Amino acid sequence: QVQLQESGPGLVKPSETLSLTCGVSGHSISTTNYYWGWIRQPPGKGLEWIGSISHSGITYYNPSLNSRVSISIDTSKSQFSLKVTSVTAADTAVYYCTSKEWVYYYMDVWGKGTTVTVS
Amino acid sequence: QSALTQPASVSGSPGQSITISCTGTSSDVGGYHYVSWYQQHPDKAPKLMIYDVSNRPSGISNRFSGSKSGNTASLTISGLQAEDEADYYCSSYTSSTTVVFGGGTKLTVL
Repeated sequence: QVQLQESGPGLVKPSETLSLTCGVSGHSISTTNYYWGWIRQPPGKGLEWIGSISHSGITYYNPSLNSRVSISIDTSKSQFSLKVTSVTAADTAVYYCTSKEWVYYYMDVWGKGTTVTVS
Repeated sequence: QSALTQPASVSGSPGQSITISCTGTSSDVGGYHYVSWYQQHPDKAPKLMIYDVSNRPSGISNRFSGSKSGNTASLTISGLQAEDEADYYCSSYTSSTTVVFGGGTKLTVL
């Protein structure tokens, strides 16, 4: 059973880069039929899809964030990462890492989430 | 991409059935069979309840069902239970190969 755990700074200054990592356990991150992704949820608001990456590094991004977001995968460390550049207060949110077998547009395994505040 | 439209809140009494709608466009909900629903309890991660419009993942109660007509998808919960009280989000694949969520619906079990 795949298990995911987010890690990274809880506080980021405006205009800097937000960097988060998701550790994967219980399953090989190199498995060809898995997709790994990020979702965020601002305080008191709804879910927002950030993007997804395949085992081979093919990425899909939310167009509203596209120019500021990058997702990468490190199979040697069994983890994948999120970077958001030029952050503002609007990027304050709980960030969840997710996974799904076969497709990237559903998420059936979620991390517990990590709160990132931009201030 | 614009968020899918969901009612802000719905309510029902234990044992009753409720339906939550999710309206999009022909570029997302109406154009594909890739609609999903998520349940989120306070301070918890969301949980996948329905995928491919009407399929339930293993372990999800058959009290939860999904459907779609045109640009509107629906989640129906029958035999409401107190534990169903939560926020519900719909999601759809889009023609831009991205994913869009609805704004969320708060379900209150009276």
